Amino acid sequence: GAGVSQTPSNKVTEKGKYVELRCDPISGHTALYWYRQSLGQGPEFLIYFQGTGAADDSGLPNDRFFAVRPEGSVSTLKIQRTERGDSAVYLCASSPLAGAADTQYFGPGTRLTVL
Amino acid sequence: QKEVEQDPGPLSVPEGAIVSLNCTYSNSAFQYFMWYRQYSRKGPELLMYTYSSGNKEDGRFTAQVDKSSKYISLFIRDSQPSDSATYLCAMSARGSGSEKLVFGKGTKLTVNP
Repeated sequence: GAGVSQTPSNKVTEKGKYVELRCDPISGHTALYWYRQSLGQGPEFLIYFQGTGAADDSGLPNDRFFAVRPEGSVSTLKIQRTERGDSAVYLCASSPLAGAADTQYFGPGTRLTVL
Repeated sequence: QKEVEQDPGPLSVPEGAIVSLNCTYSNSAFQYFMWYRQYSRKGPELLMYTYSSGNKEDGRFTAQVDKSSKYISLFIRDSQPSDSATYLCAMSARGSGSEKLVFGKGTKLTVNP
């Protein structure tokens, strides 16, 4: 079946602009995660949704970052007033069970470049 | 000190070699240990998953966890050029209130034909 999909695959924006990154999880998966991967680094946790609510947003770096999952399926990561340091690959993962860290399936990521 | 340490390599081996990849960690709350493979410009793909200490084998891959030493390993036997990728260790303190994965930096592996 279809895996996790993320759009756009690439996004180039200018410093100070607003961007939205979309994640479509695997159908039926209740848990959704966002991670950020900088060049040469492993993914770093941003936020975890269980259903519609953010169960853990401790990884969001500051208040410019916000994520929603209004219907418990698709999620959007929103970044305001982008900075060059926000350039990274933003990865989304979904899991069929709450707390099932061993079954997180990752999407291909959105490569964000802030000029 | 980062919670998870992983030598980024790069590591280059001939085809057929045995590869050993390792991570150390500092958080004793970690109970779940994963190895992911990531090809260039792709998302991480789960290879192996181990709960607590012990060994797990799947085909050419063996994962080992030593919680007393806070040390995990992945062995790849009879390595193939298609194994060339970045290998990421990841850990979770699931059940301790956090469902997030904490990753190492990744080790870039090249298997030469």
